Amino acid sequence: DTGVSQDPRHKITKRGQNVTFRCDPISEHNRLYWYRQTLGQGPEFLTYFQNEAQLEKSRLLSDRFSAERPKGSFSTLEIQRTEQGDSAMYLCASSSPRGPQNIQYFGAGTRLSVL
Amino acid sequence: GNSVTQMEGPVTLSEEAFLTINCTYTATGYPSLFWYVQYPGEGLQLLLKATKADDKGSNKGFEATYRKETTSFHLEKGSVQVSDSAVYFCALCPTGTASKLTFGTGTRLQVTL
Repeated sequence: DTGVSQDPRHKITKRGQNVTFRCDPISEHNRLYWYRQTLGQGPEFLTYFQNEAQLEKSRLLSDRFSAERPKGSFSTLEIQRTEQGDSAMYLCASSSPRGPQNIQYFGAGTRLSVL
Repeated sequence: GNSVTQMEGPVTLSEEAFLTINCTYTATGYPSLFWYVQYPGEGLQLLLKATKADDKGSNKGFEATYRKETTSFHLEKGSVQVSDSAVYFCALCPTGTASKLTFGTGTRLQVTL
């Protein structure tokens, strides 16, 4: 296992459509995070899982957004009724409780463009 | 709440020049501090970290010292290379938690021959 994997790398959709992204964390990492990064900005936290439990959600995560991690391994992030303002890079990260200082390892991201 | 402030970019340097990218933070307690780097088309990579006051993180010739008195974690490198061209992000994480990272806005570094 070489790192955090995200799929797809790029997604173009029309406004109002639903989209789903997938993240596969590093094996045995029980913590998984989603962030959103817009152009010229740093990543902003969206939500965090420990195993299958979603422990924290940002106010940025409106009711159109839902994230799951059903078996405590991979995670999905779904955006319903997409809006142009949802266009961004969606980053996933994972970390291990045995790792030092909660170092988070990031995937390459999924770039979403809403037309 | 927690926040991180970075100097605005882009920073343009000639190869072998000295680099400083300023980072200051606001947080309660003693957060862990990080520098991440993002190369074009790639994900964020951890560059270095420090977990307590006066700790110095270092990697690939880059260094940063955790200064609690000035709430700073400035990134430095004595001699930059073209391959260092990337966006650099300063970030913090509250101590003792598995919580989220709070990032600065990033500083783009461009190194020319």
